[in-house]
Amino acid sequence: QKEVEQNSGPLSVPEGAIASLNCTYSDRGSQSFFWYRQYSGKSPELIMSIYSNGDKEDGRFTAQLNKASQYVSLLIRDSQPSDSATYLCAVSQAGTALIFGKGTTLSVSS
Amino acid sequence: DGGITQSPKYLFRKEGQNVTLSCEQNLNHDAMYWYRQDPGQGLRLIYYSQIVNDFQKGDIAEGYSVSREKKESFPLTVTSAQKNPTAFYLCASNARWGGTSNQPQHFGDGTRLSIL
Repeated sequence: QKEVEQNSGPLSVPEGAIASLNCTYSDRGSQSFFWYRQYSGKSPELIMSIYSNGDKEDGRFTAQLNKASQYVSLLIRDSQPSDSATYLCAVSQAGTALIFGKGTTLSVSS
Repeated sequence: DGGITQSPKYLFRKEGQNVTLSCEQNLNHDAMYWYRQDPGQGLRLIYYSQIVNDFQKGDIAEGYSVSREKKESFPLTVTSAQKNPTAFYLCASNARWGGTSNQPQHFGDGTRLSIL
């Protein structure tokens, strides 16, 4: 059974701090990795995609991938109250459907 | 604007009734998906389709059926065999799988289904 694990949280950080969200996956053949943000009652919104080991930065967001450790993370710098949401990690092999984790709830306090 | 349209936004099902959730996309995406999300849970895959007239069962297909007669449309029917249908249903699509990587999926706004 292929699995994607995330700490459910809540992860609480003060405004302006760095939020670090982590995800591990069981399938060593996974090649595509995605982070989605989901506000309460809304559908998931793509934040980052990463395919190679290392870091990928986009604005305040940095995705980090370590395939040897089967680990992917999302860093949010200068966290804002508007970042408060559930963050979903999703993983797949080429040609297969995404497998989602259950999500980590982030709360940013002002 | 290109996107994925799900309708209705809210749907109520009576005992023993089949209901159909609509999903239409104008992104020219080949692959389409249906997920179910229960409160506090992640997304679970119901069915997916890579091309027209072809679809595969996901992890929780029992009690559901789909069709893919057009590239733009992937309706989901929740049958009376699905005894616990109350959930948030999400439709997604992405470009054709190819090479060693998958394109990211994009989601519609979802349909909330409840039992009357």
